[in-house]
Amino acid sequence: GQQVMQIPQYQHVQEGEDFTTYCNSSTTLSNIQWYKQRPGGHPVFLIQLVKSGEVKKQKRLTFQFGEAKKNSSLHITATQTTDVGTYFCVHRPLTYTGTASKLTFGTGTRLQVTL
Amino acid sequence: NAGVMQNPRHLVRRRGQEARLRCSPMKGHSHVYWYRQLPEEGLKFMVYLQKENIIDESGMPKERFSAEFPKEGPSILRIQQVVRGDSAAYFCASSPVQGDQPQHFGDGTRLSIL
Repeated sequence: GQQVMQIPQYQHVQEGEDFTTYCNSSTTLSNIQWYKQRPGGHPVFLIQLVKSGEVKKQKRLTFQFGEAKKNSSLHITATQTTDVGTYFCVHRPLTYTGTASKLTFGTGTRLQVTL
Repeated sequence: NAGVMQNPRHLVRRRGQEARLRCSPMKGHSHVYWYRQLPEEGLKFMVYLQKENIIDESGMPKERFSAEFPKEGPSILRIQQVVRGDSAAYFCASSPVQGDQPQHFGDGTRLSIL
């Protein structure tokens, strides 16, 4: 089945440093979503990217979808302790009717931020 | 404005017992998904249901696992004759029928097998 790999698996930064996680697929993706899961919590939807080369920003977070639609990245500027958690890139395959379908989660990047 | 409700939050079972996990979707959502998460891993899709229908069960183990979403009441994920390897967090998500809407997750059920 389709696999979505993320690197790094784990990143430990000092508060105020930047952080980037990368997501790669061997096949073209129709879309990419990003979720954040706090320790002991549940995944929370952050954003969806659909277009080739698309870039979206949410305050200190910048999301990018590659031109070939096979990779994506999430960059956090000036990390804060509230950014701690695991970040997953996720693919939601399209159905031919455009209706809902399952999610394929990437392997995740666990971010630890210390003061 | 209740989100996806899962219960119980924690469930302890002995090997060979049955585990029943419940999920009530968000109001207005007609699609329910179950995912399993092992420690330090991502979520793996198990099954996708609409009311009274299983749409996709490609991620469900062939034996001991079953799921339903009856016309009335919550969706149930049932694990019979549990084994140690079933220990995991089980998350339920729901979404509306429109494919471009994100899935909303419940807090999960942490299942521990003694």
